[in-house]
Amino acid sequence: GNSVTQMEGPVTLSEEAFLTINCTYTATGYPSLFWYVQYPGEGLQLLLKATKADDKGSNKGFEATYRKETTSFHLEKGSVQVSDSAVYFCALADSGNTPLVFGKGTRLSVIA
Amino acid sequence: DVKVTQSSRYLVKRTGEKVFLECVQDMDHENMFWYRQDPGLGLRLIYFSYDVKMKEKGDIPEGYSVSREKKERFSLILESASTNQTSMYLCASSGSGDLKNIQYFGAGTRLSVL
Repeated sequence: GNSVTQMEGPVTLSEEAFLTINCTYTATGYPSLFWYVQYPGEGLQLLLKATKADDKGSNKGFEATYRKETTSFHLEKGSVQVSDSAVYFCALADSGNTPLVFGKGTRLSVIA
Repeated sequence: DVKVTQSSRYLVKRTGEKVFLECVQDMDHENMFWYRQDPGLGLRLIYFSYDVKMKEKGDIPEGYSVSREKKERFSLILESASTNQTSMYLCASSGSGDLKNIQYFGAGTRLSVL
């Protein structure tokens, strides 16, 4: 079945550091890929998405590129801020009517 | 803005009690979901619904049931609460077609079963 694997956290970075959170997936067909973010005390919200190979999703300075050859969708940001501290979830959706499949989440802490 | 409202932020119940967790969305979404979130296990899907009076089992439905009598409301029921159901519960909703994978989440209910 479909699955998503994310790097385990927690990840702790200093402000203005470069961020990469790795995400790889297993799926049949051509899934859509997502990053959701959960800020402290809140539910998840969509951060960015990509629906086909080589698409790049971007939002709030975060980027991720859909790489079919490596089955990956790594999240990157060039300069993190304290306000980026959150849990980040990678997710995939196949072309059918099944719900999103989420990774286990990666906690990011950014210190000033 | 889409709003998904969960009736309680914190709940404390006794073992064996019947527990109702309520979720209401205000965007006329067809799809609604219940997850539990536990450290190290991420999000796990309990039940979901694609329409009124319809329900589908997720990955961990045992010990839970759901009710969707109206489109905007999706209730999660713990028939006889147990300590291993202590968790954070998240409700979500989404639209249809191309929007079905854009889920909107409530802030969660942290349930403690003593």
